[in-house]
Amino acid sequence: DAKTTQPPSMDCAEGRAANLPCNHSTISGNEYVYWYRQIHSQGPQYIIHGLKNNETNEMASLIITEDRKSSTLILPHATLRDTAVYYCIVRIVSNYQLIWGAGTKLIIKP
Amino acid sequence: GAVVSQHPSWVICKSGTSVKIECRSLDFQATTMFWYRQFPKQSLMLMATSNEGSKATYEQGVEKDKFLINHASLTLSTLTVTSAHPEDSSFYICSARDPSGGASNTGELFFGEGSRLTVL
Repeated sequence: DAKTTQPPSMDCAEGRAANLPCNHSTISGNEYVYWYRQIHSQGPQYIIHGLKNNETNEMASLIITEDRKSSTLILPHATLRDTAVYYCIVRIVSNYQLIWGAGTKLIIKP
Repeated sequence: GAVVSQHPSWVICKSGTSVKIECRSLDFQATTMFWYRQFPKQSLMLMATSNEGSKATYEQGVEKDKFLINHASLTLSTLTVTSAHPEDSSFYICSARDPSGGASNTGELFFGEGSRLTVL
């Protein structure tokens, strides 16, 4: 699976949109971009995933660049409960042995 | 969505004793489950892949005789830390995939709440 690069930490004001970037310049054509988050002392939580089109669900939006070398996770109206470590992982759908990078520690401030 | 539950959520034990952690898929049958370990302020590290009815596959550097994995049913996998020592203190997390859904399967993994082990 391709490797990803994320900033180690980010701050965002409560109520504002949080934009978390991820670089995956070596992504292959059949690899998807998955986002998970881990709130302190809890198991990871799936957020969203996509292949090449932008995706949106009740939690977030995923914007993937046309060349698929980078993506941005958008939390449209961040709340204090969104404070967590966010992980960007690229993988083929059938590979469940995830390799976790360091992620981005997102701190939402009141 | 699918639910994966772990038990216990935290456990404290004496050095030299064995501890069993359970991972259950509550509303789907999981032929494959995964066990991770996470040390403080570090990312998750895959320990092993647990396959129902067969032996687990361990990642390099993980001692299979120390971390015993049993996946005897489609809804339960257990991780037993044998002869635990303080360096085994960690956050252990399991995950499972829901193989149903056919072509629409998104490849989504469902994670348990984690089990924090402290060995005194």
